[in-house]
Order: sequence, then structure tokens, then C-alpha cells
Amino acid sequence: DIQMTQSPSTLSASVGDRVTITCRASQSISSWLAWYQQKPGKAPNLLVYKASSLESGVPSRFSGSGSGTEFTLTISSLQPDDFATYYCQQYYSYSTFGQGTKVEIK
Amino acid sequence: QVQLVESGGGVVQPGRSLRLSCAASGFTFSSYGMHWVRQAPGKGLEWVALISYDGNNKYHTDSVKGRFTISRDNSKNTLYLQMNSLRAEDTAVYYCAKDRSSGGSYLFDYWGQGTLVTVSS
Repeated sequence: DIQMTQSPSTLSASVGDRVTITCRASQSISSWLAWYQQKPGKAPNLLVYKASSLESGVPSRFSGSGSGTEFTLTISSLQPDDFATYYCQQYYSYSTFGQGTKVEIK
Repeated sequence: QVQLVESGGGVVQPGRSLRLSCAASGFTFSSYGMHWVRQAPGKGLEWVALISYDGNNKYHTDSVKGRFTISRDNSKNTLYLQMNSLRAEDTAVYYCAKDRSSGGSYLFDYWGQGTLVTVSS
């Protein structure tokens, strides 16, 4: 099974900050990586797929990069609506998620 | 717009069964793979099962193989998850999710609101 490891687990930041979340795969997954945002009590929402493609309707302050085993999600200027938990997901072989990164208000 | 509405969750004793349903609308249900994904309280996301657009191909994660069965009725635009021999560790919110493709790319582009299953005596 492919394991996904996110860092950090929790991130404290202020509105306007540039935020970066890292995701590492236990083996190469090419670019078959997605990022989801989840708010408390809600379903996850797809943000980025194929490592760097922005899902329709997602603000351009979100961006993804990486390939192989190392990936990042960047929020260029954190907005109040962005405080949430973010999950990476590999879909190279079946599907596994990272453990999540909670972005909280500093 | 795409809508996925789960139902059937509740409190069930260990060893018993439960069937979840997911009613789909706003897209051509019979053209897409569909999944169940679960999330234990306060924990992360875990993929559970996939069914292809026509129902001919099904895949289940190892921890539920032999106990859970995914199915679909394209005439009713409905996805199902039959859960037998339930265990405490199956306690979770169960989401149905639409796949981006017909066969199953494992990219989840729409999700339902979830239904809570609690396994407890």
C-alpha cells in the first residue's frame, strides 16, 4: 500500500500569510495527487488534481506542485474562509489519504 | 447541479447489518464510477469501495472485504453499501463520492453530506 505523510499536522497562520503544506508518498505516484479542503461537519471539497491542476471554481490563491514523491499545496494569501483541514490523496494505485493538516488562526 | 444524498446510517450493535443508500441527481449517474469513503470521528479519510459505471467492476478496501458490498441501481440513480458483520472500528461518517471517470480514476469530484454509522452495544 502507498502511504501518504503530510506535514505539518497543524499550522497556525494569520490572514494574508503565505501557507505551504507538504505531502510525501512512500513510493513514486507520478502526478496522481489531489488536494481536498474540509471544514468541520462538512464533506471534503476537491481543490487540486493531477498535482497542479486547479479544480473549476477554486480561487487562484490555491496552487499545487510536485511529482514523484514530494508535493506541496500553497495558499498565496490566506483568507478567513481558508481556515480548514487539508488532505492530500494519491490516486495512482487505488486511493490513500494523508492524515490531514489543520490550518488554524494564529 | 450535482447532488448526492446519503441515508441509512444509525446506531447498530456489533455483528449486525446495515445498508446505506446514496441518491444521485444533476448528472448522468450511469456514466460514472462511484465510491464510498469513510471518516471515523476526529480522524482522517479512508476510501472504502468503488463500483464502475455499469456495476461490472467492484473493489473494496482490505479491512471490509467479505463484509461490505458496494452496488448500484442505475434505473434508480442510487448507490448502495451493504455492511454486514459490523465492528466498532466501522464507526464513521460514510460519504458517497462521484468519480471523475466512468471506470474509476479514484479522483472524487463531488461528495455527499455523509451519514453517520455508530457500531455500539
